[in-house]
Order: sequence, then structure tokens, then C-alpha cells
Amino acid sequence: SQTIHQWPATLVQPVGSPLSLECTVEGTSNPNLYWYRQAAGRGLQLLFYSVGIGQISSEVPQNLSASRPQDRQFILSSKKLLLSDSGFYLCAWNPDRGYEQYFGPGTRLTVT
Amino acid sequence: RKEVEQDPGPFNVPEGATVAFNCTYSNSASQSFFWYRQDCRKEPKLLMSVYSSGNEDGRFTAQLNRASQYISLLIRDSKLSDSATYLCVVNIATGTYKYIFGTGTRLKVLA
Repeated sequence: SQTIHQWPATLVQPVGSPLSLECTVEGTSNPNLYWYRQAAGRGLQLLFYSVGIGQISSEVPQNLSASRPQDRQFILSSKKLLLSDSGFYLCAWNPDRGYEQYFGPGTRLTVT
Repeated sequence: RKEVEQDPGPFNVPEGATVAFNCTYSNSASQSFFWYRQDCRKEPKLLMSVYSSGNEDGRFTAQLNRASQYISLLIRDSKLSDSATYLCVVNIATGTYKYIFGTGTRLKVLA
């Protein structure tokens, strides 16, 4: 069966510091991978998706970036965090577009 | 108009009650529809996909009305453990990887 991991689970970072969040999927190959952010009391916002190694599509222009160095690894980064980057970051996968997505446990980021 | 809209609730219902949620979507080209459950400070978990013919999974029934552009979720015989936020999700068009999430409907089942 497939499992999806994210780390760290929680993170407190000062404004202007860098960020790296990691997501890995097990038990499947060539998954579509997604990064979402959920701000307090709001819906999930799609940040990036990837259909293959090195293929990244950005949905929202901002100070975040994503990379997919391996088939089942997806990384979310920032060079300088803003207060507005605080939120619950969720990684998800699915086997193809149109199919249900499965989420990792998320990373709760607080920028101070 | 939001692409996916849900009544935020909360819906407070007694145990054993039947409760229904609706979700409307604006893009008539939308192809895939889902209901997710999200517990407080947890990740969303797939509850069920919504098929054109409607589908049922135990106490849960989902319906799709393409003409009126809404999907519904019916929960029968509510349990305390059903208390959560229910998210409506739409894959907005064929061939796209973009999924639009509603902000969720909060359900509280009371003893």
C-alpha cells in the first residue's frame, strides 16, 4: 500500500529565514505530487504540482519554490520567509489527474 | 463567485440524526468530485468520490447534480465520531491538475 510522509511535523521560524519541507511517497511510482497551504480558517490553496522529476508547475506566484529531485520526493523551499507564509503545509499525491488525492500528515509552520 | 462554495456551519445535530451538506461549483466543465473529512489540525482524508449516478458507502451517500452544479453528502445515523469538517473538492476541468477545495462545513454531533 502507498504511504506519504512529511517532515517536520511542526516548525517555528523567524522572518527572513530559509525553509525546506520534504515529502516522500512510498509504494507507488511516477505519482503526481502537490503542495498545498491551508491558512487558519481558510480552504486549501494549491501552491505547486509536479507530474515528474524536474517538472514543476506553480499556481501562485510567491516567495516559495518547489523541486522534485527524485520520483517520489517533493521539496518545498523558501529563501526568506514572510509572516504571511505561516500555515499548514500539506503534500498530496495521486496516480493521475482527475483521481482522488491522498494527503500527508502536514507541517504546521509558524513564522515569527 | 467562489469556484466551490460550502455553508461553513456549524451544523449541530444529535446522535442518530440525519444531516445533509451541499456544495456548489461554478465551472460547468468540472469532471471529478470528492468529499473529504478533516479533523482539527489534521490532514484531509478522502471520504468518498462522487459519481454521476450517485454512490453510497455505509451511512454516507453522495449525489451529483450536474444541471444545477452541486454535490451533496448525506450522513445517516450520525455518530459522535462523525464530528469534523467536511470538504468538498472539485477537479475543475478535464486534463487539469488543479483541484479546488471548498472551505468546509463543520459538523458537531452532540450526545
